Amino acid sequence: GENVEQHPSTLSVQEGDSAVIKCTYSDSASNYFPWYKQELGKRPQLIIDIRSNVGEKKDQRIAVTLNKTAKHFSLHITETQPEDSAVYFCAASMRNDYKLSFGAGTTVTVRA
Amino acid sequence: DVKVTQSSRYLVKRTGEKVFLECVQDMDHENMFWYRQDPGLGLRLIYFSYDVKMKEKGDIPEGYSVSREKKERFSLILESASTNQTSMYLCASSLLTGGPDTQYFGPGTRLTVL
Repeated sequence: GENVEQHPSTLSVQEGDSAVIKCTYSDSASNYFPWYKQELGKRPQLIIDIRSNVGEKKDQRIAVTLNKTAKHFSLHITETQPEDSAVYFCAASMRNDYKLSFGAGTTVTVRA
Repeated sequence: DVKVTQSSRYLVKRTGEKVFLECVQDMDHENMFWYRQDPGLGLRLIYFSYDVKMKEKGDIPEGYSVSREKKERFSLILESASTNQTSMYLCASSLLTGGPDTQYFGPGTRLTVL
C-alpha cells in the first residue's frame, strides 16, 4: 500500500514568518494529495488539496506544490498567525481509491 | 453543512469487554471510515465502507470489526478490548463514488481500556 512520510514532526515559527511542511509518497499511482489541519481538541478539517494534473495550488496564505517526478508535495503557509498553530496532516490517495494514507503529522507552533 | 457525530467523546472500558463506537453522518455520504489516532503515528485506517453492508479492511483491522446496516450509520466494534486499543478513534465520511474526495471527520472518541 501507499506509504506517506511527513517532515518535520514539529515546527516552531515566529509570527509573520513562513512555514513549510514536506511529504513524500511511495506509490507513483497516487494522484490526490489533501492537507488536513487539526486544532487542539478539534476534528481534522481539509484546508487544501491538489490533484496530479496540477503543480501548484494557492488559497490565500496557504499553497501546496506537487512534484510527481520526485514523489513529494509540500504545504506552504505565509505570514503565519497564531491561529495557524495546529497539527497538519498530509495524505495521498490513488485514482479510484476511496482510502487516504496519512502522514504522521506536523505540530506547528506560531510564536507571538 | 456536513455533520458527522460520534456516540461518545470519552469512554472507559475494561480489558475483555465488547465495545461499540457509533458514527452517524447526515449528508447522505456514500463512504464512511474509521481511524485511530495515536501520537507520532498520524491517522491509521481501521476499516471503511463504500456502501451499505459493504466493508473493507484498512491498514490495521486486527481486533476490530464494523457494521453498516444503514447508509448514515457506521459502527466500530472491539470484540474483546485490550489495553493496546486505548486511543482516539475518529470516524469520517465522504460523498464521491469512484475515487477520493474530501473526508469530513467526527469529533472523536477517546477510548481508555483498563
